[in-house]
Amino acid sequence: EAQVTQNPRYLITVTGKKLTVTCSQNMNHEYMSWYRQDPGLGLRQIYYSMNVEVTDKGDVPEGYKVSRKEKRNFPLILESPSPNQTSLYFCASSLLTGSSYFGPGTRLTVL
Amino acid sequence: EDKVVQSPLSLVVHEGDTVTLNCSYEVTNFRSLLWYKQEKKAPTFLFMLTSSGIEKKSGRLSSILDKKELFSILNITATQTGDSAIYLCAVEGGGSARQLTFGSGTQLTVLP
Repeated sequence: EAQVTQNPRYLITVTGKKLTVTCSQNMNHEYMSWYRQDPGLGLRQIYYSMNVEVTDKGDVPEGYKVSRKEKRNFPLILESPSPNQTSLYFCASSLLTGSSYFGPGTRLTVL
Repeated sequence: EDKVVQSPLSLVVHEGDTVTLNCSYEVTNFRSLLWYKQEKKAPTFLFMLTSSGIEKKSGRLSSILDKKELFSILNITATQTGDSAIYLCAVEGGGSARQLTFGSGTQLTVLP
C-alpha cells in the first residue's frame, strides 16, 4: 500500500530536549516536505527536499533541521524544542508534479 | 510574499444544500492550484488545476480556476454530513518547484 508514515504520532516533551520525528514514503517520490499546522494559520512549510542530499528552507524553518540521506526518508529534527513549536506536524511526498500525499501527522507538545 | 486567502473561514449548512468555497491567491510563478479535504487526520487530495476555465469534477464536487482573476472555487452540491471537514487550498509557485503555499482553510459543517 502506497503511504507516508510518521513516527511518533504523539509526543510530549520538555523544552530543550532534542527530538526527531521520522518520515518515510514507499512511493519512490523525489519530493518530500514538512509542514506544521496551527489554528488559524493553516499549513506552513518548514523544509522541503527535491531529492537526496537536496534540501531547502520553507516559510518557517527556524528551530528545525532536516536531512535527506535516502530517497524514502526525511526526518525532522528539533535540536532544542521550545513551547512555540507545539503544533501538528505533517510530512508529505510527491513526484515533482502532481498531488502531495500526506502522512498521518505528529502532534507535538513542548512543555 | 506568496499569499493564499480562503473564504469563508467557516460555514454551517444543512444536508442537501449547495456550498461554494473560495480561494484567491497572489503567487509568483504560478504552476498549479490544489484542493484538499482534511477531516480529523491528514489532508487528502481532491483536485489539481492548472488551466483556466476547465472544470474538474468528481461526484458532487467540482472546481474551476480563473488565472486572470487569480481565484478558484470549490463547489459541493447536495451536501452530506460526511462532507464536514476543513477544505484547504494550496498554490504551487515561487522560486522552486513543488513549493506549496496553503490558505488557512474553510471549516465546513453539514448538519443533518
